Amino acid sequence: DQQVKQNSPSLSVQEGRISILNCDYTNSMFDYFLWYKKYPAEGPTFLISISSIKDKNEDGRFTVFLNKSAKHLSLHIVPSQPGDSAVYFCAASERAGSYQLTFGKGTKLSVIP
Amino acid sequence: DADVTQTPRNRITKTGKRIMLECSQTKGHDRMYWYRQDPGLGLRLIYYSFDVKDINKGEISDGYSVSRQAQAKFSLSLESAIPNQTALYFCATSDQGRNLETQYFGPGTRLLVL
Repeated sequence: DQQVKQNSPSLSVQEGRISILNCDYTNSMFDYFLWYKKYPAEGPTFLISISSIKDKNEDGRFTVFLNKSAKHLSLHIVPSQPGDSAVYFCAASERAGSYQLTFGKGTKLSVIP
Repeated sequence: DADVTQTPRNRITKTGKRIMLECSQTKGHDRMYWYRQDPGLGLRLIYYSFDVKDINKGEISDGYSVSRQAQAKFSLSLESAIPNQTALYFCATSDQGRNLETQYFGPGTRLLVL
């Protein structure tokens, strides 16, 4: 039973355009969400997070939107750059629990120059 | 220098062998984690440790054991390796402070069990 789902294994976007990566979750106890970026031969690196008390969090070119009623979050990258090409993982946590992270399978983003 | 280091970076072993993967961190974090990643799958938690005396099983702990030798060191052992343990293994750390969920990952160890 996959509690965090990233249904698009891959996404290609032109440089300068918007990249939108989507994530759905099924566990209503999740109340904190994170996005990680992973380059080949490296470990995942933290990108941005959002608490369930918010519906939007922005950090430079990266914005995460949370729709709790739909159990859906998305990561927007504007404008997309070739260096953004990586695998993006969505992760979720129950703050009232042990703060373990549950990860999605990842979406490979390719930004085409 | 990297804050979270893993050794070895690559390892090939045979079925039935015992191997150890090591993780060290200089971030001063209390919490450490071991994950595995399989192709097309997300990261799955094997074990985690909140401090030297606190070890907890994760989602897929069968066939693995861990040792927290010090705050900065967390080792993962495969007592008798099997081919389906072929995967990419990541160590991670997090702070006891405000942002418990933000985990910092090492570069990974690629393990092949023949």
